[in-house]
Amino acid sequence: SQQGEEDPQALSIQEGENATMNCSYKTSINNLQWYRQNSGRGLVHLILIRSNEREKHSGRLRVTLDTSKKSSSLLITASRAADTASYFCATDASAGGTSYGKLTFGQGTILTVHP
Amino acid sequence: DTEVTQTPKHLVMGMTNKKSLKCEQHMGHRAMYWYKQKAKKPPELMFVYSYEKLSINESVPSRFSPECPNSSLLNLHLHALQPEDSALYLCASSHFPAGHSYEQYFGPGTRLTVT
Repeated sequence: SQQGEEDPQALSIQEGENATMNCSYKTSINNLQWYRQNSGRGLVHLILIRSNEREKHSGRLRVTLDTSKKSSSLLITASRAADTASYFCATDASAGGTSYGKLTFGQGTILTVHP
Repeated sequence: DTEVTQTPKHLVMGMTNKKSLKCEQHMGHRAMYWYKQKAKKPPELMFVYSYEKLSINESVPSRFSPECPNSSLLNLHLHALQPEDSALYLCASSHFPAGHSYEQYFGPGTRLTVT
C-alpha cells in the first residue's frame, strides 16, 4: 500500500473547534510535509518537519512527528470556514540517499468547517 | 514573487491532437516537477527536472513528453492521449533538493479533458 496514509478520510466540524488529522507512513523518511488544497486548485505548503524534529508550530498549526511509530499529526486550532480544504501529508523517503525532491502524497483528509 | 503560473487553465483535446502545457516560475528554483491528479486522489509525481535535466521519470507513458528549455520554464507536450489521461496537471518548483527535499510551490493546475 501507499506511503502516507491519512485518517480520517473526511472530517466535519464547527467553526472554533480544533481539527486533528493523522498520517502514517511505511519507510524511513528525511522529512514530512503537509499541504492544503482548496477544491480543484493547486497545493499550498503548510509546514515541513524533519526526521529529527518532534513538533513544529506555525500560527494555528501544530505538527507532530513520531518516527518510532512512523506517524505524524496535523492540528488546526480554532478552525475557520476558510480552513475548509483537503489536507495531504507528503513524505520524502530519501533518508540516507539522494532526494531529487521526490514526494509521495497520502490519500488526504477532506476537512469541512461549518460557520 | 512566489508564484508558479500554468497555462492554459483548461484544455479539451481529442485523442489525435497535439497540445502543450506550460509552467513558469521566477523564484530562482532549480527543481521543477509535473504531477497528475485525478479527482479525489492525491497528486502523483510524473517527472522531476533538476538544473534543467530530467532526473526522475516515474515510468510515464511516452505520450507525455516533458521539456525544460530554461531554468524558469517547464513544458509538458501531449500527443495521442487517452480519455483516462483526463486529470488536473500540476506543476511545482523548489530549491534544488541536494540532500533533502524542500517545500514545493505549486501552480493552480491545468484541467485536461481528453475526448
